[in-house]
Amino acid sequence: QLVLTQSPSASASLGASVKLTCTLSSGHSSYAIAWHQQQPEKGPRYLMKLNSDGSHSKGDGIPDRFSGSSSGAERYLTISSLQSEDEADYYCQTWGTGIRGVFGGGTKLTVL
Amino acid sequence: QVQLVQSGAEVKKPGASVKVSCKASGYTFTSYGISWVRQAPGQGLEWMGWISAYNGNTNYAQKLQGRVTMTTDTSTSTAYMELRSLRSDDTAVYYCARDSRGIAARPHDYWGQGTLVTVSS
Repeated sequence: QLVLTQSPSASASLGASVKLTCTLSSGHSSYAIAWHQQQPEKGPRYLMKLNSDGSHSKGDGIPDRFSGSSSGAERYLTISSLQSEDEADYYCQTWGTGIRGVFGGGTKLTVL
Repeated sequence: QVQLVQSGAEVKKPGASVKVSCKASGYTFTSYGISWVRQAPGQGLEWMGWISAYNGNTNYAQKLQGRVTMTTDTSTSTAYMELRSLRSDDTAVYYCARDSRGIAARPHDYWGQGTLVTVSS
């Protein structure tokens, strides 16, 4: 079964970097994922599509501070030079042929 | 630019139905599909289903089968999601998101602004 696992929370200081993790279930390490950001009281915003080889393509207007990388079944979102507006929930999503709507539980990022 | 604009908030009584619209602009509507995703208060994202704007094919989440219907009007580039027999646990913000038009899915690269549906007696 295709499942995505995320840590419920993370924190980092203003101006620092943080790396969030999304883990694909066993047998699905070749799948691409997408990262979405949801700021408080707002709808989700697409950040990027991240492939198994670490290549990624970002959505419209996403700053260079946001980057992605991959290692095995792990998919990472790194945010550098953290700003207060980066405090948000971050969701990963995956899909396949005939498979839709697989979301991770989300990570709540606190900027200290 | 691509935009998905949803209809306004709704308040419904248990047992009633709600129909939410999602008007697309900035791209060729029939080249893509629309997924519907909902978020209950304080919870994560829950996929509800998908419709192809190309051929009207649908795929619904198993837990909503029989209560949800998704349709499109290609003349107005609008997608609709109707949920029937509403219960209190259907209270959520409902989002539309762009998806693929065929069986090979893709990331949701554009989202609507959300529609709050409140179910209360």
